[in-house]
Amino acid sequence: AQRVTQPEKLLSVFKGAPVELKCNYSYSGSPELFWYVQYSRQRLQLLLRHISRESIKGFTADLNKGETSFHLKKPFAQEEDSAMYYCALGPDTDKLIFGTGTRLQVFP
Amino acid sequence: EADIYQTPRYLVIGTGKKITLECSQTMGHDKMYWYQQDPGMELHLIHYSYGVNSTEKGDLSSESTVSRIRTEHFPLTLESARPSHTSQYLCASSDSGDNEQFFGPGTRLTVL
Repeated sequence: AQRVTQPEKLLSVFKGAPVELKCNYSYSGSPELFWYVQYSRQRLQLLLRHISRESIKGFTADLNKGETSFHLKKPFAQEEDSAMYYCALGPDTDKLIFGTGTRLQVFP
Repeated sequence: EADIYQTPRYLVIGTGKKITLECSQTMGHDKMYWYQQDPGMELHLIHYSYGVNSTEKGDLSSESTVSRIRTEHFPLTLESARPSHTSQYLCASSDSGDNEQFFGPGTRLTVL
């Protein structure tokens, strides 16, 4: 079955601390993985996708096919990073399967 | 400017009313989607469309219906709203051959 698991509903860190938001997926084919972010009172927007291999706002994510993971990382969290983060899997059926989301709180 | 528009942004109505949530996009995308999301919770796909006259039900069963008569327009209708329909509804679109989806601002629906 195709599934995305985000084990943490809430992740709280202090400003300047490293952040890792976990995402594991279940899919037998070649996956396409995304991270979406939803800031307070803003629409859901793409943060990054694995095929672009970019660093956006200091965030990176590496696809690990062996561990079926796509964890989102940032070495030094900022208060403006506080938001809901959703990992999404794009199988070849043109639909996205979203995880349950992780709320990141960055305290000053 | 290329964007996705949803109206109304907020809607409070009584039980039994018929409502239509509007979604339009000027992105030139073929694929469009409707999600249901409770605040801070996961997204559930309820409808999607690959193009004009194409509509499919999503993973979450919904009493709503959709239509796709024009490429840029993908309205969602509830014939008889109930309190259980209270939620946020997100519209999204994507280009053919690409899985990246672009989201509208959402409609927050409250049924009393």
